[in-house]
Amino acid sequence: AQSVAQPEDQVNVAEGNPLTVKCTYSVSGNPYLFWYVQYPNRGLQFLLKYITGDNLVKGSYGFEAEFNKSQTSFHLKKPSALVSDSALYFCAVRDESNTGKLIFGQGTTLQVKP
Amino acid sequence: AAGVIQSPRHLIKEKRETATLKCYPIPRHDTVYWYQQGPGQDPQFLISFYEKMQSDKGSIPDRFSAQQFSDYHSELNMSSLELGDSALYFCASSQAGGPNEQFFGPGTRLTVL
Repeated sequence: AQSVAQPEDQVNVAEGNPLTVKCTYSVSGNPYLFWYVQYPNRGLQFLLKYITGDNLVKGSYGFEAEFNKSQTSFHLKKPSALVSDSALYFCAVRDESNTGKLIFGQGTTLQVKP
Repeated sequence: AAGVIQSPRHLIKEKRETATLKCYPIPRHDTVYWYQQGPGQDPQFLISFYEKMQSDKGSIPDRFSAQQFSDYHSELNMSSLELGDSALYFCASSQAGGPNEQFFGPGTRLTVL
């Protein structure tokens, strides 16, 4: 069965520093991977996705993610963190049954301090 | 741009009562998904519809049912509510035909007392 793991419950970075939020996946076929961000009491906002092609995917708000097939990882990155990036981040994989449902990781809270 | 609309945004019910949550997908999106997010949890898939037909079913209790109507809006009906049903319920929509991203609504926060 497909799964996604986010090994860190929380990531703390200083404003202006680069950030990385980690995600690893397990699928039997080609993975379709997504990152979403959730602010308190809000819905999930789509950031970016990897379907095929370039391993470096660029998304919204300056975020990017690097797909690494050999390490089965899809880490979210940003060169310079903002305090407003503080939120809950979810990595997700599209279910291989082709009905499109998403399987989410446990979520990582990003805290960016001034 | 139009987003996914969910109503109500907040709902308080007593145990054993019923609740109906509504979802209005983005125009021209033909697929709707429902997810449940418990406190401090990741969203868990409940059920999905494509072109008004149920396309997949997850860990949805038998007390819950859902449908998608001719105008593509969807309703999640929950009966015999239990304390454990208290959660955020998200609806998401997407266009079929590929691994398209899902766009989520703001959610309905259900509290069962």
